[in-house]
Amino acid sequence: ETGVTQTPRHLVMGMTNKKSLKCEQHLGHNAMYWYKQSAKKPLELMFVYSLEERVENNSVPSRFSPECPNSSHLFLHLHTLQPEDSALYLCASSQTFFGVSGNTIYFGEGSWLTVV
Amino acid sequence: GQQVMQIPQYQHVQEGEDFTTYCNSSTTLSNIQWYKQRPGGHPVFLIQLVKSGEVKKQKRLTFQFGEAKKNSSLHITATQTTDVGTYFCAGQDTGTASKLTFGTGTRLQVTL
Repeated sequence: ETGVTQTPRHLVMGMTNKKSLKCEQHLGHNAMYWYKQSAKKPLELMFVYSLEERVENNSVPSRFSPECPNSSHLFLHLHTLQPEDSALYLCASSQTFFGVSGNTIYFGEGSWLTVV
Repeated sequence: GQQVMQIPQYQHVQEGEDFTTYCNSSTTLSNIQWYKQRPGGHPVFLIQLVKSGEVKKQKRLTFQFGEAKKNSSLHITATQTTDVGTYFCAGQDTGTASKLTFGTGTRLQVTL
């Protein structure tokens, strides 16, 4: 139990589908993140939210759309994805936005996404 | 932008052998963190180093932060099969609003 819960754990979707990944953190943290992890690539930071405001968007294609309705919940809306978007999507949280030195990141168990 | 490289990418050892992974940043860091990801799992925080030249130990794991705060290492003494996984360093740049950049990771395989 990490304190960061992601659903679904596995998702298979077609290129024309619309789906969403959900993340909930029970740690009372103020910052939440979406990372993408592909084979043979380092963890890629996608989005950062601090106190429900997006503070970072690392040139992520618009087919990925984040939503942070409150400090405990984070969504990643997916539409018209490509097969190369297949990856492990990790949600994470930290006490404050990691712009503050020394924050550690708590990861969820991830959502394995396969685009067919 | 900041880059954090790790070597080796992969290492296979026999149980009982030692293992070391090295982390190098293109920029000076304010702190460095280490995470472990078991196969099929998610990264889990291990430790944070902040001071130049700092050395910390966790049982068989020894972590070092370089004097120039641009590199770090993780050394495992007498590996066990439970050490299997990918070890990531993550460096935080100096300055405000600084990102935490994950390294490329070192995958460790331990066999009997």
